[in-house]
Amino acid sequence: DVKVTQSSRYLVKRTGEKVFLECVQDMDHENMFWYRQDPGLGLRLIYFSYDVKMKEKGDIPEGYSVSREKKERFSLILESASTNQTSMYLCASSHGPKAFFGQGTRLTVV
Amino acid sequence: GENVEQHPSTLSVQEGDSAVIKCTYSDSASNYFPWYKQELGKGPQLIIDIRSNVGEKKDQRIAVTLNKTAKHFSLHITETQPEDSAVYFCAASIDEGSYIPTFGRGTSLIVHP
Repeated sequence: DVKVTQSSRYLVKRTGEKVFLECVQDMDHENMFWYRQDPGLGLRLIYFSYDVKMKEKGDIPEGYSVSREKKERFSLILESASTNQTSMYLCASSHGPKAFFGQGTRLTVV
Repeated sequence: GENVEQHPSTLSVQEGDSAVIKCTYSDSASNYFPWYKQELGKGPQLIIDIRSNVGEKKDQRIAVTLNKTAKHFSLHITETQPEDSAVYFCAASIDEGSYIPTFGRGTSLIVHP
């Protein structure tokens, strides 16, 4: 089975902190994604990557950046965390059209 | 870009009843339509998918139908059970290139024992 692992289930950070969310997949997938999930808004794409060191902005990239130095690892970076970035963050990987998700990281910014 | 609308946002049924969730999409180029189930505290999990060259697909108690002309597709769950309670997401994508799915906003299904 494909496994997508997010480094933390729960995080609490202070406003202004730099935050790193890590994601690792074990199936050699080319594509990796970061989504944000908020009640009533569904899954919104923040960034995606289709290869090492390649990245593309999604629908809501403002306030975020990403890093993909190795094929299996895709990191989401909040440069200066704000309270409106309190959310559930979901990482996914895919080969072809089928996406596989991690368990999510619930981030609270206080 | 693609826009996916999903209805209803919440659905409450009695155990044993059927449940239907409907989605519409806007981009006629979309040709791959997956459905995901998200249980509490977990990430979404792919449960069934359909491609545009197929009108219906079944897997035990779940089925998906696709109407390309009308640009809508539906998830049908028969003989619902309490463990079917979850949030369900539909999505649409093009089965080539970067395969970026566009998701609906989700349906919270509650199955009452």
